[in-house]
Amino acid sequence: LAKTTQPISMDSYEGQEVNITCSHNNIATNDYITWYQQFPSQGPRFIIQGYKTKVTNEVASLFIPADRKSSTLSLPRVSLSDTAVYYCLVGDHSGGSQGNLIFGKGTKLSVKP
Amino acid sequence: GAVVSQHPSRVICKSGTSVKIECRSLDFQATTMFWYRQFPKQSLMLMATSNEGSKATYEQGVEKDKFLINHASLTLSTLTVTSAHPEDSSFYICSARAVAGGLHEQFFGPGTRLTVL
Repeated sequence: LAKTTQPISMDSYEGQEVNITCSHNNIATNDYITWYQQFPSQGPRFIIQGYKTKVTNEVASLFIPADRKSSTLSLPRVSLSDTAVYYCLVGDHSGGSQGNLIFGKGTKLSVKP
Repeated sequence: GAVVSQHPSRVICKSGTSVKIECRSLDFQATTMFWYRQFPKQSLMLMATSNEGSKATYEQGVEKDKFLINHASLTLSTLTVTSAHPEDSSFYICSARAVAGGLHEQFFGPGTRLTVL
């Protein structure tokens, strides 16, 4: 499984755009990149997933360069409720054993008023 | 859709007792369920993977005789912490993967806070 590296923490202010970058130098051909959000004492919540280029949904965008060795989660106009830990995960989409979600340390995002 | 529940949400027990935690996929069938443990200010650590009708696969360092996992149906997996001790106090989270689902199709429960006195 590809190892991921993220900043331990980030600070932002309400209304700003936040970009969290994740490094995954050993990503394999079959691997997808998935981001989860976790609030204290809750289970992780799926945010977005992608394989290459750009993916956008109603809450975030995911930018993946051509070499796929990194990815950037972009949260537009954050609010106080976006304060959470964000995890970047890389794994096989096939659902086999390589599809087990292995969590790294995550990035603790603190949004201030 | 795609809701995973856990019961209980919080449990306090005495040292030496056993505690059972249930994980249910409420509106989908899950061939595979996962159990994670999370200590304060740390990331989730995968404990074991269970497939319906077969024995669970435990991660290195996780005692299978201490953490008993049963996945008797496509909607229910249970984790029993046997002879619990204070060091087993943690936040236990399960996730369920839909039939033929990939990474995207893995849904997490709300977690169970275990406190062993």
